[in-house]
Amino acid sequence: QVQLQQSGPGLVKPSQTLSLTCAISGDSVSSNSAAWNWIRQSPSRGLEWLGRTYYRSKWYNDYAVSVKSRITINPDTSKNQFSLQLNSVTPEDTAVYYCAREPRIAAALLIWGQGTLVTVSS
Amino acid sequence: QSVLTQPPSASGTPGQRVTISCSGSSSNIGSNTVNWYQQLPGTAPKLLIYRNNQRPSGVPDRFSGSKSGTSASLAISGLQSEDEADYYCAAWDDSLNGGVFGGGTKLTVL
Repeated sequence: QVQLQQSGPGLVKPSQTLSLTCAISGDSVSSNSAAWNWIRQSPSRGLEWLGRTYYRSKWYNDYAVSVKSRITINPDTSKNQFSLQLNSVTPEDTAVYYCAREPRIAAALLIWGQGTLVTVSS
Repeated sequence: QSVLTQPPSASGTPGQRVTISCSGSSSNIGSNTVNWYQQLPGTAPKLLIYRNNQRPSGVPDRFSGSKSGTSASLAISGLQSEDEADYYCAAWDDSLNGGVFGGGTKLTVL
């Protein structure tokens, strides 16, 4: 049974970098049959897909246009986890952040992390 | 403003059938499959329907999905009080090269 466990700070100062980690159990971040996504949700922006990383003989990333200049999603094979870094944050980046597993066969977000409320404030 | 358009609210009485629509364009729903998520208050979204009309294991067959052209629908039959939640459609968008969501529909069971 695949589970995702998120960790990271709940408060980030404006202009700094938001960093979250999603630890995977029951699957491998290097799996050829899954992709690993980050999504966020706020009252003003609703559900917003941020990006994903996946391995298909080599590593690939896809990022949302809205955050492409500020986002990095990295796999960590040694710890079987993946991370989100969002640079130069503003209060607009305040949201609940989720990681999620996307099985290739479903092309949908089947397993979700528990969510992390990140507040951007000084 | 969400890329996919859903009605903000829907309602029905127990036992009724309700449908929730999701409208997109040729670059998303028109060329890719649609997924539906259910979100109960304070919890992460849960996958309800994938690839237009497939149910993950454990999802009751009261939930069904369909797609036609650039629109999709989620139908819930035999409405129950526990179905009161927010429902979101989602798809891949080839123009944006990314995932897109609808704005969500709040379903109230009267």
